[in-house]
This record gives sequence, structure tokens and C-alpha cells, in this order.
Amino acid sequence: EVQLVESGGGLVKPGASLRLSCAASGFPFSSYTMKWVRQAPGKGLEWVASIESSSTYIFYADSVKGRFTISRDNAKNSVYLQMNSLRAEDTAVYYCVRVDNPIFDHWGQGTLVTVSS
Amino acid sequence: NFMLTQPHSVSESPGKTVTISCTRSSGPILSYYVQWYQQRPGSAPTSVIYADNRRPSGVPDRFSGSIDSPSNSASLTISGLKTEDEADYYCQSYDSNNHWVFGGGTKLTVL
Repeated sequence: EVQLVESGGGLVKPGASLRLSCAASGFPFSSYTMKWVRQAPGKGLEWVASIESSSTYIFYADSVKGRFTISRDNAKNSVYLQMNSLRAEDTAVYYCVRVDNPIFDHWGQGTLVTVSS
Repeated sequence: NFMLTQPHSVSESPGKTVTISCTRSSGPILSYYVQWYQQRPGSAPTSVIYADNRRPSGVPDRFSGSIDSPSNSASLTISGLKTEDEADYYCQSYDSNNHWVFGGGTKLTVL
């Protein structure tokens, strides 16, 4: 069974940093592109970042480019999202997603990030 | 970057058919696959349609997807509505820069 378990969310002040982790199991992790998608409270879905299986290709939404960094460790079956210079508008549930192009076929349950003073 | 525009809400009675539209602002809709996701309150999204009109295993054939090139839009049609179909539905696509976009979501009420 495919499982994606996010961790690392919490309450931080504007300008702070946070690192999200996603532990994957139940599938050959190193063969899949992974993404982060977020959802602000009561709002819609927003793609944040993508990382291809070998980390060769990485893409970011304009809203986070230069502040967020996606990475992965295939030996640990994990994907990460380093978030710097956090803003109030980054407040959201962050989902780790497995992609079998073009379908986002498995989603974690999400981790809540709250940016507030 | 492009946008995907969906109606904010739709409602229909059980047993009826409802269609949710998704209009792409720029770039030909036919060039990039469209996906549809269902999200029930408090849960992560799940896929109901991918690659314009394909259903993941386990999704009933009451769900179907289509593309209309002249209007540059995609549609999700749900027939034989059930109360369990009540949820938010999001369309999604991408562009040549590997940027992925979701529509704003449509709240389906089955009353």
C-alpha cells in the first residue's frame, strides 16, 4: 500500500524557516516524480514544487521561487521542502504527492504550516 | 502563466446529471492533459479523471471527462448523482514550463 506521511509543520513567525519532510513507502520511490501542493484554509489547491526521480529536473511555482527548496533522498525514501522567509500567505496545509504523469495519484494527509506573529 | 476558471458552485438533485466546466485562459487546452480531483471535507484530494477522459481504477463510470477545443475548456460530468458525490472538484493542467495549475474549485451540492 502506498503511504505518504508528512511531518514538520507548525507555527512560525514571519521571516522564519521551516523544513517539511515526507516519508514514502509501499512503492519504488526512486522511480517517481514527487510534488508538494498546498491549500490555504478554506481555499483551493496550489502546486508548490516538483522534483523528478533523479533530482535532475526541479520546478517551482512563482509564488515560492527563491524562498523554497525541494529535495529528495532516494536512499531514505523521503522528499523535503525547505521553506525560508515565510510569509503569512504561506499559511496552508502542505501535501506531499506522488505523480505518475500526468496524474497526482497518491496524496499524503498533509501537514499544517501557520505563519503568524 | 495560465489560469483555469471553474464555477464556484453547482447543485443538482440525486439521480440527475451535472457538468462542471474548466476554461483555460491561454494555451490550447488540447496540448496539455486535464485532470480532475475530488476533495471531501477534511480529506486529501483523490483523482477522478486523468488525461482528459480516463478514469483511475475504482472510479465509477458515472464520472466522465471531455474537452471542447473551440471554447478551450474541459468538463467533468457526473451522472446518476449520489449524495456521496457532494464534494469540491478541482481541474488541473500544466504548461510547457512544467508549471502546474489548479482551477479554483467547484463546490458540488447534491440536494
